[in-house]
Amino acid sequence: DVKVTQSSRYLVKRTGEKVFLECVQDMDHENMFWYRQDPGLGLRLIYFSYDVKMKEKGDIPEGYSVSREKKERFSLILESASTNQTSMYLCASTSGGTYPYEQYFGPGTRLTVT
Amino acid sequence: QKEVEQNSGPLSVPEGAIASLNCTYSDRGSQSFFWYRQYSGKSPELIMSIYSNGDKEDGRFTAQLNKASQYVSLLIRDSQPSDSATYLCAVNPSGSNTGKLIFGQGTTLQVKP
Repeated sequence: DVKVTQSSRYLVKRTGEKVFLECVQDMDHENMFWYRQDPGLGLRLIYFSYDVKMKEKGDIPEGYSVSREKKERFSLILESASTNQTSMYLCASTSGGTYPYEQYFGPGTRLTVT
Repeated sequence: QKEVEQNSGPLSVPEGAIASLNCTYSDRGSQSFFWYRQYSGKSPELIMSIYSNGDKEDGRFTAQLNKASQYVSLLIRDSQPSDSATYLCAVNPSGSNTGKLIFGQGTTLQVKP
């Protein structure tokens, strides 16, 4: 079974703090994704990575950066957390290059910025 | 803008009935389609994927795909209260080889005992 883990289930941070969210997958997947999910707005793609050190912006990259130094690990960084970044953050991974692109999600991190 | 549309619901069905969840997509070249189940406060869980026109059955779940009508549906037979969740439809758009998916907003299903 594919396993995607995230470093924290719940996180509370203060405005202005630098926040790191970590995601690890154990299936040797090439592609990894970070989403945020808010009521009424659905899943929104923040960033994705299709290879080590390769990344592309998603639909809402502002205020975020990412790092992928190893294939199995994809980190999301909030450089200076703000209250409007309070959300559920979801990491997902999928094999790359070929169909069928099934994405598998981690358990999520519920981040509260006060 | 490539889009995936779902009725937000809630869709309410009695226990034991068939629940029918529908999804339409705008990108005619899309090749693969997925249904995820998401319980409140949890992450999405993949339950079905379908790539060819027609039906695909897995236990109580049947996915149906009609590429000509750009329509994909999920049928849940013998619905149980434990099926109460939000169901997300996702589509792999044409021209994407990175595994990106476009998600619908989800349909909330309530199964009443």
